[in-house]
Amino acid sequence: EDQVTQSPEALRLQEGESSSLNCSYTVSGLRGLFWYRQDPGKGPEFLFTLYSAGEEKEKERLKATLTKKESFLHITAPKPEDSATYLCAVQALGAAGNKLTFGGGTRVLVKP
Amino acid sequence: KAGVTQTPRYLIKTRGQQVTLSCSPISGHRSVSWYQQTPGQGLQFLFEYFSETQRNKGNFPGRFSGRQFSNSRSEMNVSTLELGDSALYLCASSLRTGHSYGYTFGSGTRLTVV
Repeated sequence: EDQVTQSPEALRLQEGESSSLNCSYTVSGLRGLFWYRQDPGKGPEFLFTLYSAGEEKEKERLKATLTKKESFLHITAPKPEDSATYLCAVQALGAAGNKLTFGGGTRVLVKP
Repeated sequence: KAGVTQTPRYLIKTRGQQVTLSCSPISGHRSVSWYQQTPGQGLQFLFEYFSETQRNKGNFPGRFSGRQFSNSRSEMNVSTLELGDSALYLCASSLRTGHSYGYTFGSGTRLTVV
């Protein structure tokens, strides 16, 4: 069974204080690893998809990396508007359809 | 370009009742997936529909069902509601099925069972 574990559960940062979020996963074969951002009362907003170990993707202050067992989301010099819950999900190669298995998320609060 | 539209946004139901939630995907998207999000269990996959056929189903009881219409709009139904069904129900649409890109989520329907 596919499993995704995210750590830490919550993160409080000062504005400008860089940090990393971890996503550990177990999947029979990885079709894709996804990062989403979710604001309170809203649906998840797509950030990145990573496909193979060694891959990296960047978007503004966010950078996602992937190894064979985990992914990291690095937040560089965060701003208060980066406060959100960040969700990691995997899709297995053998999965029928578009099923995503999500981790529990990391709640990030960036204080000015 | 309109996003994924879920209606209603909020719903309050009584135990034992049934409820129907609606999801209109992005124009041209043929796959609709449904997820349940709760504080304790996080986001859990319910089922996916593509071209009016259920492609995959999560580990939920038979009280949870869905369907998709020829215009790709989807509905999910929960019968005999329980207090534990209180959750944010999210749908995600995608152009195709069995691939790993282009999932867009709606804002969800917040269901409260009292």
